[in-house]
Amino acid sequence: DAGVTQSPTHLIKTRGQQVTLRCSPKSGHDTVSWYQQALGQGPQFIFQYYEEEERQRGNFPDRFSGHQFPNYSSELNVNALLLGDSALYLCASSTGQGGREAFFGQGTRLTVV
Amino acid sequence: AQSVSQHNHHVILSEAASLELGCNYSYGGTVNLFWYVQYPGQHLQLLLKYFSGDPLVKGIKGFEAEFIKSKFSFNLRKPSVQWSDTAEYFCAVTYMRFGAGTRLTVKP
Repeated sequence: DAGVTQSPTHLIKTRGQQVTLRCSPKSGHDTVSWYQQALGQGPQFIFQYYEEEERQRGNFPDRFSGHQFPNYSSELNVNALLLGDSALYLCASSTGQGGREAFFGQGTRLTVV
Repeated sequence: AQSVSQHNHHVILSEAASLELGCNYSYGGTVNLFWYVQYPGQHLQLLLKYFSGDPLVKGIKGFEAEFIKSKFSFNLRKPSVQWSDTAEYFCAVTYMRFGAGTRLTVKP
């Protein structure tokens, strides 16, 4: 039973570019949440997708957008990258909308130069 | 606004010492509380959770936490730590608000 998988594992982008990160949830899970974890900090909630819609959103600008597909996988898109967007991006999956137990992936390390 | 405070940034203990990591939260509604652990090079894993009922919850690897509603606290405890407990520990209120984390180093 595969857990949460994220791709790619590492990524280097130039300031101003756009990036897409991908997440496949744990088998049986239908909810995907995305987090940004800067060095030395806890995960910061970006948004959550359930039934292919954004259900909750944290305090992130519109440059951060996402999508959930019918198979429950999800993408995180970040436009107009800034140096400050460099971080570990985590995906977590769970069942149903709300605050139940979430399983995390290994994350995608994004470096903006 | 919701917030989570973890008081200790870095804790260093010797093996067999007792552990208590503090977590206080600010949230007006019904809380779901979590402790996650991140071992070096690994992904975040759930240690334990509290949704309702007995305020003393037991998790994996001998960890436990006590929910004290009047103090808005959810402290993590372990009677005797091992070198393998060296990791980063995160407290969370719902899935949306994580603390900054506490790095635990256990010396053999």
